[in-house]
Formats: sequence, C-alpha cells, structure tokens
Amino acid sequence: EAQVTQNPRYLITVTGKKLTVTCSQNMNHEYMSWYRQDPGLGLRQIYYSMNVEVTDKGDVPEGYKVSRKEKRNFPLILESPSPNQTSLYFCASSPGQNTDTQYFGPGTRLTVL
Amino acid sequence: GQSLEQPSEVTAVEGAIVQINCTYQTSGFYGLSWYQQHDGGAPTFLSYNALDGLEETGRFSSFLSRSDSYGYLLLQELQMKDSASYFCAVNTDKLIFGTGTRLQVFP
Repeated sequence: EAQVTQNPRYLITVTGKKLTVTCSQNMNHEYMSWYRQDPGLGLRQIYYSMNVEVTDKGDVPEGYKVSRKEKRNFPLILESPSPNQTSLYFCASSPGQNTDTQYFGPGTRLTVL
Repeated sequence: GQSLEQPSEVTAVEGAIVQINCTYQTSGFYGLSWYQQHDGGAPTFLSYNALDGLEETGRFSSFLSRSDSYGYLLLQELQMKDSASYFCAVNTDKLIFGTGTRLQVFP
C-alpha cells in the first residue's frame, strides 16, 4: 500500500530533550516536506526537500533540523524542544514540487512541557 | 509576503451547493490546490488547477483565475460526510496553505 508513515504518533516530552520524528514514504517520491498545524494558523511548512541531500527552509524553520540521506526517509529533529513547538506535525511527499498531489502522513501530536 | 485568505467557517444543508473562496497574494506559482481535512485526520488532496478555469472531479470542482488572484472550491450535492476543513494552497518550491475553512453540513 502506498503510504507515508510517521513515528511516533503521539509524544510528550520536556523542554530541552532532543527528539526525532521519523517520516518514511514508499512511493519513490522526490519531494518531501514537514508541516506544523496550529489552531487558526493552518498548515505551515517547516522544511522541504526536493531530492536526496537537498533540503530548504520553509516558512517556520527555526528550532528544527532535517536530513535527507535516503529518498524514502525525511526525519524531523528538534535539538532542544521548547513549549512553543507543541503542535501537530505532518510529513508529506509528492513526485515533485510542482505536481498536484501531496500525500500526507497521519500526523504526530507533540507536547513539550 | 505570500498569503492566502479563506473564510473561517461556512455552513450549509445536505443536498445544497457551497462555494469556498480563496484569494491570494503571491506570484509565480505552479498551481492552486485544495485539500480536505476531517477532525483528527490528515489533509487529503481534492483538486488542482494548473491553468485558469474550472476543473471538475465528481461532486467537487475547483476554479482558478490568475488575473484576479482568486480561486474557489465548489461542493455540490452536499453530504454530512463533507463536514470538514478545507484548505487552498499555492504550489511554489514551497507549498503555502491558507488558514482553512470549516464547513459544517446540517441535515
């Protein structure tokens, strides 16, 4: 089944404790991205990657890191999480950045205390 | 900067037609997309306009006018299951979403 998977789905952590949210897709897509969703603000792009070893900042990259060492994986790293990073996070992939359909993962709800 | 505006909420009854508008301030984008998101779920793709005009996909249609910086999603024969949030998004190297429109369908 073609899909985007994220782990963990739910995470409660404390300020300053490094964490990684994994994202994997099995559709051989070139373009992958991370979004956060907050009430009243919609979906905001954090980072995106057009291909392996190519990553770029989205609209809200501060406090986040990503890597794209393999085509299928695009982990999101929070080196020192803070409470303002409490949010719902979505990973997505698509064949290319100018193609229509983004396929979203199920989401990761992160709470930083 | 780049921004997309949508109404925050729309209500309608089953069987009706509803139009969700999206106005944007951006340029040089590949196309305008629409996504549906049910409460607790992930966004799912609905429709995409690369060119001006109307695109029809079953009960859903989407329209784009680049000269007017405007697009809309048209939902026909509304069903209860259409109650969800709907987001427009412009496709550039980034994907920029609007803040979303919550549609409530009543019996």
